[in-house]
Amino acid sequence: QVQLVQSGAEVKKPGASVKVSCKASGYTFTFYYIHWVRQAPGQGLEWMGVINPSSGRTDYAQKFQARVTMTRDTSTSTVYMDLSSLRSEDTAVYYCARLLTTEGHFLGYWGQGTLVTVSS
Amino acid sequence: DIVMTQSPDSLTVSLGERATINCKSSQSVLYSSNNKNSLAWYQQKPGQPPKLLIYWASTRESGVPDRFSGSGSGTDFTLTISSLQAEDVAVYYCHQYYTTPNTFGQGTKLEIK
Repeated sequence: QVQLVQSGAEVKKPGASVKVSCKASGYTFTFYYIHWVRQAPGQGLEWMGVINPSSGRTDYAQKFQARVTMTRDTSTSTVYMDLSSLRSEDTAVYYCARLLTTEGHFLGYWGQGTLVTVSS
Repeated sequence: DIVMTQSPDSLTVSLGERATINCKSSQSVLYSSNNKNSLAWYQQKPGQPPKLLIYWASTRESGVPDRFSGSGSGTDFTLTISSLQAEDVAVYYCHQYYTTPNTFGQGTKLEIK
């Protein structure tokens, strides 16, 4: 069965970087795009960007363009989301999510979420 | 960016009654190549990731109860729960995947009266 397993919670100081991993299993890794979505405490869902695991090509929300890097390692079926210059407003649960099918970018499989806390 | 606006922000409905959530996009999300609307609905319960309910505006994901239905086209969409059950208490989000950046509605919190 399809699974996305994310790395554990992180606590970072303002100005630091965080790298969240998302390990995929149960399907052919390179066949499906993976998106990153975050959710601040008590808030809604915010789209951060998407990576094509086959080519490594990415598309980021302009808000994060200067600070985010999404990469993948096909040998381990893992995608990574690196966010730099962290500030308190980046405190959120970060989710990776996979397309349900290759027909469209509706997100049928989600990781469990990774809480990133930014605090001095 | 396409702005997704949901209404209402919160909704209180009695068990067994109908719940209706609306989602309006700032521009059409009709994908011309397949004549389908690039609009999905998700349900999120506390402490859990979102769960896909509906895609292409009206296609129910496998395993989703048939009391959930989606409708609409172009810029105006609706998620309907025909007979509210206790387990439907959650926050519901619409999501346009017509173009990047993908965007979500602000969410609608559904509670039992």
